[in-house]
Amino acid sequence: QVQLVESGGGVVRPGGSLRLSCAASGFTFGYYAMHWVRQAPGKGPEWLAFIRYDGSDKYYAASVKGRFTISRDDSKNTLYLQMNSLRSDDTAVYFCSKDRSRNRLAFDLWGQGTMVAVSA
Amino acid sequence: SYELTQPPSVSVSPGQTASITCSGNNLGDKYTHWYQQKPGQSPVLVIYQDNRRPSGIPERISGSNSGNAATLTISGTQAVDEAVYYCQAWDSLTAVFGGGTKLTVL
Repeated sequence: QVQLVESGGGVVRPGGSLRLSCAASGFTFGYYAMHWVRQAPGKGPEWLAFIRYDGSDKYYAASVKGRFTISRDDSKNTLYLQMNSLRSDDTAVYFCSKDRSRNRLAFDLWGQGTMVAVSA
Repeated sequence: SYELTQPPSVSVSPGQTASITCSGNNLGDKYTHWYQQKPGQSPVLVIYQDNRRPSGIPERISGSNSGNAATLTISGTQAVDEAVYYCQAWDSLTAVFGGGTKLTVL
């Protein structure tokens, strides 16, 4: 079954850290670029980070650059997002998403999302 | 920063054609992709590279892109098409989403 399953969300205090994981199955994970996208309650999606199929390029949205780090472990078919210095406006559902290509095109598979709440 | 603008809402009667626009500076020079999101669900890609349908997406859903606007068209709209639709494009190294259009099938 082709799917992405995120985990690692939860409640964290401002300034804290979390690491999200995304387990991929049903497709050749190492062939595709991957992304993290978040969606705040009642808002549209916001792209956060990209990693090329071979990990050679990583790009970030301005809102998270320097605080979040995307990585992948192809041996485990798993994508990660390390989130540091979390703020209240980071509260959202976080999705991992598979690209249709090895670089940057469209997000053709999404996980179910994991909720991150940043609150004192 | 680059912006994509969508109307907040579009209404259509069952069986009629719905058109949702997405506007951006010289958007026609970029690929536009469209996503459908129903309440409580993750987004689903319905159109990529302006006018291509992923497998499993019905032929009544189509797209076009020219000039400063892309359009998602749903012909013979059905109740199952009621959802929020988001356009998306890449501006250099950043993916940008439109604000979303809620399609209501009256």
